[in-house]
Amino acid sequence: DAGVTQSPTHLIKTRGQQVTLRCSPKSGHDTVSWYQQALGQGPQFIFQYYEEEERQRGNFPDRFSGHQFPNYSSELNVNALLLGDSALYLCASSGTVTNYGYTFGSGTRLTVV
Amino acid sequence: DQQVKQNSPSLSVQEGRISILNCDYTNSMFDYFLWYKKYPAEGPTFLISISSIKDKNEDGRFTVFLNKSAKHLSLHIVPSQPGDSAVYFCAASINAGNNRKLIWGLGTSLAVNP
Repeated sequence: DAGVTQSPTHLIKTRGQQVTLRCSPKSGHDTVSWYQQALGQGPQFIFQYYEEEERQRGNFPDRFSGHQFPNYSSELNVNALLLGDSALYLCASSGTVTNYGYTFGSGTRLTVV
Repeated sequence: DQQVKQNSPSLSVQEGRISILNCDYTNSMFDYFLWYKKYPAEGPTFLISISSIKDKNEDGRFTVFLNKSAKHLSLHIVPSQPGDSAVYFCAASINAGNNRKLIWGLGTSLAVNP
């Protein structure tokens, strides 16, 4: 049973560029949440998608946007990259039937130079 | 404002002894608490959870204790093993409209020495 898969694993971008990160949820899960984890910090909630809609959003600017597809996979897009966007981006999936145990992917390490 | 606090950034224990990781929270609306374990270059892995209506949950070597009046929870690992060396995150779950949201602590790095 495949868990949560994220791609790419590592990425280097230049300031001002745009980036798209991808996530495939665990089989049977229909809700996808995205987190940003800076070095030495806990994961910070970016947003959550369910039924192809953004259901909840954390304290992140509009440069951060996302999408969920009919197969429940999701993309995280970041525009006008800043050096401070360098972080590990984690995707977590969960099911709508009470499942407090989110399943996380291994993350995408984004470095902005 | 950090609603979930793990005040010890690191902890070192001897193999076979007890590891106690602590977590404090400020929001009384949290109704579920979770512990995650994270190895380098991997995503967090769910470890154990506890509902706010309970005060203890045990799963093998791992036990989580919740003290609602003190807004404090702790994770006990007995006996500690070298493979337990990882960063441990405490997370609190809250009902946010028609979905749930996790609020995370900053993590405690546990080193179990052979």
